[in-house]
Amino acid sequence: GEEVAQTPKHLVRGEGQKAKLYCAPIKGHSYVFWYQQVLKNEFKFLISFQNENVFDETGMPKERFSAKCLPNSPCSLEIQATKLEDSAVYFCASAEEAINQPQHFGDGTRLSIL
Amino acid sequence: DAKTTQPPSMDCAEGRAANLPCNHSTISGNEYVYWYRQIHSQGPQYIIHGLKNNETNEMASLIITEDRKSSTLILPHATLRDTAVYYCIVSVSGAGSYQLTFGKGTKLSVIP
Repeated sequence: GEEVAQTPKHLVRGEGQKAKLYCAPIKGHSYVFWYQQVLKNEFKFLISFQNENVFDETGMPKERFSAKCLPNSPCSLEIQATKLEDSAVYFCASAEEAINQPQHFGDGTRLSIL
Repeated sequence: DAKTTQPPSMDCAEGRAANLPCNHSTISGNEYVYWYRQIHSQGPQYIIHGLKNNETNEMASLIITEDRKSSTLILPHATLRDTAVYYCIVSVSGAGSYQLTFGKGTKLSVIP
């Protein structure tokens, strides 16, 4: 598609439950990035992919967070055993190339942990 | 990534040009300057980017100083819909992380 599509728009989970977020990048884009924004504050980079391969995972919490980009499927970000502090808006972005190409963002998934 | 410094907020009258400054005094030779904006809680919207030459597109112009230590984003005729937080980001070109490091940005308020 022409836009990065993120689903769902809103996700509510009880503390300790699992949360799974999805991202369909723009068709033809090889790179996918995940960012976390807590309470309209600064963005935190989580992980990036080049096609189905992890490109950079330096921002991913060591525990509970995992992500995948499988062929012919939306990318996913999964949080196990959610905590209150995971409440945030999670943005996905895609780019055609890593070099000199802008990242295009989706409208995010608002995750609320109760 | 080099760090950037932006004023926390600015006002601009509707119809006038909005000039948003950014300092990036530690920028390296292979780092690009990118501008994004976030309207309400939408996803960041790409505006423009450049390396050393001035750039213009349908949204804005980017003026980069000759020493590349600062830049200015110009919205030529600001409208109420341009009210947003504007982020100036420097990003490495080439192999490597390519993550975007967002700072606090400038909150631009366009006033009727």
